[in-house]
Amino acid sequence: DAGVIQSPRHEVTEMGQEVTLRCKPISGHNSLFWYRQTMMRGLELLIYFNNNVPIDDSGMPEDRFSAKMPNASFSTLKIQPSEPRDSAVYFCASSSGGGAYEQYFGPGTRLTVT
Amino acid sequence: GESVGLHLPTLSVQEGDNSIINCAYSNSASDYFIWYKQESGKGPQFIIDIRSNMDKRQGQRVTVLLNKTVKHLSLQIAATQPGDSAVYFCAEIYSGNTPLVFGKGTRLSVIA
Repeated sequence: DAGVIQSPRHEVTEMGQEVTLRCKPISGHNSLFWYRQTMMRGLELLIYFNNNVPIDDSGMPEDRFSAKMPNASFSTLKIQPSEPRDSAVYFCASSSGGGAYEQYFGPGTRLTVT
Repeated sequence: GESVGLHLPTLSVQEGDNSIINCAYSNSASDYFIWYKQESGKGPQFIIDIRSNMDKRQGQRVTVLLNKTVKHLSLQIAATQPGDSAVYFCAEIYSGNTPLVFGKGTRLSVIA
């Protein structure tokens, strides 16, 4: 099993640019989660999907952030326009239950916005 | 890595000693708890879980204890090894199909 796959692993971009982060969950998992991790705020849940449907996006910071899950094997998190305060590590995780029990995390995308 | 916070509680232990990492959870209605380990530059990794109808669960070299009276969770690591150095997070689920709520984390540093 390849585990959760995220791309890119590192992204450096300039303020104002659009950023798209990608995630492939573990095959057969029907719940997918996007997290952001920073030194100041720790690990924050941004949004999660169940069976490709967004269930709770209350953690999304603002309208500049959007997430999609067009099918069971792919999700994107987009930031447009990006700002320096968006710099963080973004993790995608998936789980097999309808709830949010054991989650398997990807390696993360380290985003730096200059 | 980004998982390390300047203000994270830090526990330093000698290699071979036992480690105890503590966590206070927030919701008395939480019915499921998980411990995650995050090494530098990696995503959190599942270690062990426990349901609220239990007060102890053992894994390989790890034991989780749950005290619902005081809403306290602990992770015990036996014979701590350098590879155990990481940030450890506890997480709770309030009930049903709600997402995990992660604690702030504790950094474990193993002294060889």
